[in-house]
Amino acid sequence: KAGVTQTPRYLIKTRGQQVTLSCSPISGHRSVSWYQQTPGQGLQFLFEYFSETQRNKGNFPGRFSGRQFSNSRSEMNVSTLELGDSALYLCASSALQAGTDTQYFGPGTRLTVL
Amino acid sequence: AQTVTQSQPEMSVQEAETVTLSCTYDTSESDYYLFWYKQPPSRQMILVIRQEAYKQQNATENRFSVNFQKAAKSFSLKISDSQLGDAAMYFCAYRTGNQFYFGTGTSLTVIP
Repeated sequence: KAGVTQTPRYLIKTRGQQVTLSCSPISGHRSVSWYQQTPGQGLQFLFEYFSETQRNKGNFPGRFSGRQFSNSRSEMNVSTLELGDSALYLCASSALQAGTDTQYFGPGTRLTVL
Repeated sequence: AQTVTQSQPEMSVQEAETVTLSCTYDTSESDYYLFWYKQPPSRQMILVIRQEAYKQQNATENRFSVNFQKAAKSFSLKISDSQLGDAAMYFCAYRTGNQFYFGTGTSLTVIP
């Protein structure tokens, strides 16, 4: 099976702009989670989608939003970008929604905000 | 609040030797799952090993094994016969319900 894919791999934006990141899970996986990774804060959970519904959300402002499509692909949107949004954004998929299943990570999208 | 603590920011090991990475967590839950993930310099996060809290037997995957002490809320990773390809950032993670928590990571260097 193909792994989790994320596009684009690298992105450069300026403050105030918005950005959309895409994640395609492993075939058959219905859960997609998003994480922000920074040197200072480590890995922080953004949100999880299962069957097109947001199941849980981390402690991030409303500028961060997401959605999941019927084919389980997911997008994450960040509006009104700030310098502090510069990070590696990781997507992970799992077969089950419950918190028992192993997550498989994509390579990430490196977002730089200037 | 659930937290995961990795007290060793950096570790090093000689090739072919054994190294243990420590992880402790704080939770009031009785049913949860613990994971060790490896993130090599290429940045792709890879699952190393997983442990269900209800299982007393420690998980093992080839050269990787864990020491799970539920009462002490400790979950250490032992890497035997270390190889150069083991060099990476290792993250301990805890999951219960829909929440997933990661430690801050331990950077492992393997010395030839």
